[in-house]
Amino acid sequence: AQKITQTQPGMFVQEKEAVTLDCTYDTSDQSYGLFWYKQPSSGEMIFLIYQGSYDEQNATEGRYSLNFQKARKSANLVISASQLGDSAMYFCAMREGYNQGGKLIFGQGTELSVKP
Amino acid sequence: DAGITQSPRHKVTETGTPVTLRCHQTENHRYMYWYRQDPGHGLRLIHYSYGVKDTDKGEVSDGYSVSRSKTEDFLLTLESATSSQTSVYFCAISESKQKETQYFGPGTRLLVL
Repeated sequence: AQKITQTQPGMFVQEKEAVTLDCTYDTSDQSYGLFWYKQPSSGEMIFLIYQGSYDEQNATEGRYSLNFQKARKSANLVISASQLGDSAMYFCAMREGYNQGGKLIFGQGTELSVKP
Repeated sequence: DAGITQSPRHKVTETGTPVTLRCHQTENHRYMYWYRQDPGHGLRLIHYSYGVKDTDKGEVSDGYSVSRSKTEDFLLTLESATSSQTSVYFCAISESKQKETQYFGPGTRLLVL
């Protein structure tokens, strides 16, 4: 079974608008972490934001925020005021419990295109 | 930016030949990881290391071996390369297994003919 599901293979957004990228996860652990990475066409993996399962507030990093709904097991990325440079692949990832070595499980990604 | 380099950055090889990819870090982080990225699969863990000479298997470890003789270097070896191992390989590092950030290297594109 998929542990990380990103249901939007591709999305378009108008420049300066906000966009939400969906991510749902599946785990039986109580302690886990959720990550979002950006991969531009140049290929590098850029860390964007992190949410711990025990964090009570949603994580924010500049224009990025993570809409964490624990009961629904969702961790959606919200990008406010989209810019052309936001066009990229976006990956949601989960780190499961303490004894899993810190390894990340990735979703298949969402390709975001920002239109001028 | 975290100090992670991968070498080579690109490689073309033939089926049946051994290949070694190197990941080098200057952050003195304890944890190091090798992932592969394929279309439709996102990134999948191959092997990881939690210290010098301490390694463990990931989700797609068949056909791969790793070694870590120094904190800064983590080697991934394809013992006998196959076309199914054509992929982009990423190394990642983390200060601890519970740390909020896992930093990735620039990736190595491997083509097995």
